[in-house]
Amino acid sequence: AQRVTQPEKLLSVFKGAPVELKCNYSYSGSPELFWYVQYSRQRLQLLLRHISRESIKGFTADLNKGETSFHLKKPFAQEEDSAMYYCALSGSNTGKLIFGQGTTLQVKP
Amino acid sequence: GAVVSQHPSRVICKSGTSVKIECRSLDFQATTMFWYRQFPKQSLMLMATSNEGSKATYEQGVEKDKFLINHASLTLSTLTVTSAHPEDSSFYICSARIGTGNTIYFGEGSWLTVV
Repeated sequence: AQRVTQPEKLLSVFKGAPVELKCNYSYSGSPELFWYVQYSRQRLQLLLRHISRESIKGFTADLNKGETSFHLKKPFAQEEDSAMYYCALSGSNTGKLIFGQGTTLQVKP
Repeated sequence: GAVVSQHPSRVICKSGTSVKIECRSLDFQATTMFWYRQFPKQSLMLMATSNEGSKATYEQGVEKDKFLINHASLTLSTLTVTSAHPEDSSFYICSARIGTGNTIYFGEGSWLTVV
C-alpha cells in the first residue's frame, strides 16, 4: 500500500532549537519524496524535493531508503518557520501526490 | 514562480444545489490538473486527475457523478459538486503540473459550505 506517515501532529520548539519533522513512507518502487509547507492563510508551496538535494530556508531532508524515511531537519528554528508541514510522495512521475497527515510546527519566542 | 488561481475562494450553497469551482493556471499551460479535498486538520486526499481534452480519472471511492470535472482548456479545470449535501462541505484544492514531471503548483483552495 502507498502511504505517507507523519507521526507528530504538533511539534513545539523554542526559537534557536533544532527541529526534526518525521516522515516515513510505504511504496513499492522508487518514489519521489517532497516536503510542502503551508503558512497561515497561504497556499501550499514546495519546500524541498529529494532529487534536488538542496537546502531551502535552512531546511534539509535526506531520503533513507533503508528506513523508508524522509525526515525534515533544521539546526536552528526561527519563529517564521511556524507553519503546517506536509510530507508527500509521487510515484512514476505521474504528478499525483500522496500526502501525510501533516505536522504543525510551532516555534516559540 | 507559476501561479494557479482558484475561484471562488469561499462559497456557501443550499443543500441540493450544484456549485462550480474553477482552477486556472495563470502563466503556464497545464495538461494535467489535480483536485484534492481536505477536511479540517486532516491531510489532502486526491480526488481526481484532470487531463485536458479527456475524461478525468477518479480515485477509488470518489463518486464521479457527484464531482464532475471538466478540463476544457490547457489553463482551466472545473470541479462541479452536484446536488451538494452538508457532508460535501470541505476545503477543495487544485494543483497544476508543468510539463510531464512532478513540478506541481497549488491553488489557494476553495472553502465550500453546504447549508
